[in-house]
Amino acid sequence: SQTIHQWPATLVQPVGSPLSLECTVEGTSNPNLYWYRQAAGRGLQLLFYSVGIGQISSEVPQNLSASRPQDRQFILSSKKLLLSDSGFYLCAWTRGPWEKLFFGSGTQLSVL
Amino acid sequence: GESVGLHLPTLSVQEGDNSIINCAYSNSASDYFIWYKQESGKGPQFIIDIRSNMDKRQGQRVTVLLNKTVKHLSLQIAATQPGDSAVYFCAAAQGNFNKFYFGSGTKLNVKP
Repeated sequence: SQTIHQWPATLVQPVGSPLSLECTVEGTSNPNLYWYRQAAGRGLQLLFYSVGIGQISSEVPQNLSASRPQDRQFILSSKKLLLSDSGFYLCAWTRGPWEKLFFGSGTQLSVL
Repeated sequence: GESVGLHLPTLSVQEGDNSIINCAYSNSASDYFIWYKQESGKGPQFIIDIRSNMDKRQGQRVTVLLNKTVKHLSLQIAATQPGDSAVYFCAAAQGNFNKFYFGSGTKLNVKP
């Protein structure tokens, strides 16, 4: 069966520090991968989307970037965190078109 | 894309009653829809999906209705239980592109 791993579960970082969140999917190949952000009490905002290694689509201009160095690995990064980067970050995957979207357990990021 | 990020409305129901949660989407090209349940601090959990060639689909205690004319879908939960208390989101995508955009979400409170 397929599983998605996302870590860390919680993270507290000072403003201006770098960020690296990692997500991996097991039990499938060539998944579509996604990063979403959820502010407290709000909906999910699509940040990045990838259909293959090295292929990244950015949805909104922001202080974050994403990379996909391996088929089942998706990384969310920032060189310098802002207060507004705080939120709940979720990695997700699908097998492809017309397939269900499955989420990881999320990372709660607090930028202080 | 779709509209996201609004503050969550709340629906309170009595245990045993039926619940109806509504969602509106903005992109008429969207043709694949999913409902998710999210408990506090966790990633969204798949409930049920529907394609635009259908207007109704049933699962265990849940029914999704799709009205493409007014770009609206609803989730009906029969005999609501305390364990159903959570935030519910709808997601819309153009199936071929598989980029999911989320509605604003509804917080369901089930009173015993």
